[in-house]
Amino acid sequence: GAGVSQSPSNKVTEKGKDVELRCDPISGHTALYWYRQRLGQGLEFLIYFQGNSAPDKSGLPSDRFSAERTGESVSTLTIQRTQQEDSAVYLCASSFWGSGLAARQYFGPGTRLTVL
Amino acid sequence: AQSVTQPDIHITVSEGASLELRCNYSYGATPYLFWYVQSPGQGLQLLLKYFSGDTLVQGIKGFEAEFKRSQSSFNLRKPSVHWSDAAEYFCAVAVSGAGSYQLTFGKGTKLSVIP
Repeated sequence: GAGVSQSPSNKVTEKGKDVELRCDPISGHTALYWYRQRLGQGLEFLIYFQGNSAPDKSGLPSDRFSAERTGESVSTLTIQRTQQEDSAVYLCASSFWGSGLAARQYFGPGTRLTVL
Repeated sequence: AQSVTQPDIHITVSEGASLELRCNYSYGATPYLFWYVQSPGQGLQLLLKYFSGDTLVQGIKGFEAEFKRSQSSFNLRKPSVHWSDAAEYFCAVAVSGAGSYQLTFGKGTKLSVIP
């Protein structure tokens, strides 16, 4: 079956431009997560969606970052006025909600963002 | 606050040799622990997970991990490494916060395999 997909796979942008990253979760997964992986670092949690609401935005690094989700499907992560420190791989994951801490998160292949 | 430490940034082993990747965690409650593998150009794949019960857990691709509460460790092992195991490995702990169950990851260990 289809896994988590993300687009674009690569994005190169100029400093100060806005970018949108897209995530298509596995069908039926109500929980959706965004993570960021900077070079040489582990993954950092950014934001969590349960359905189309975001009860946990604690990982968003600044107000330039925002995300939305349509129902229990597509999510978009938007970075406004990009900075060079935003360069990273942005990973999306989805899971069933009911398993709580035991829920397996399925990861997409990521979007590699490069800010020049 | 929770944290995960992977002390080895890069490990090189010969094909056929045994492997142990170290992971230490800091978390106040009972930990839910995971190991993921990330191959070049691919997403993260779950190798194994520990929630409770038997402290030695088996995963895919011949990997296993042992949970040691007294040492706050969850080390990953494989008796005989294959060239295809070359990848980056991440240890993670699931934590609950603000209504979500996010993963806190270590910084990863890159594994190189010598033919």
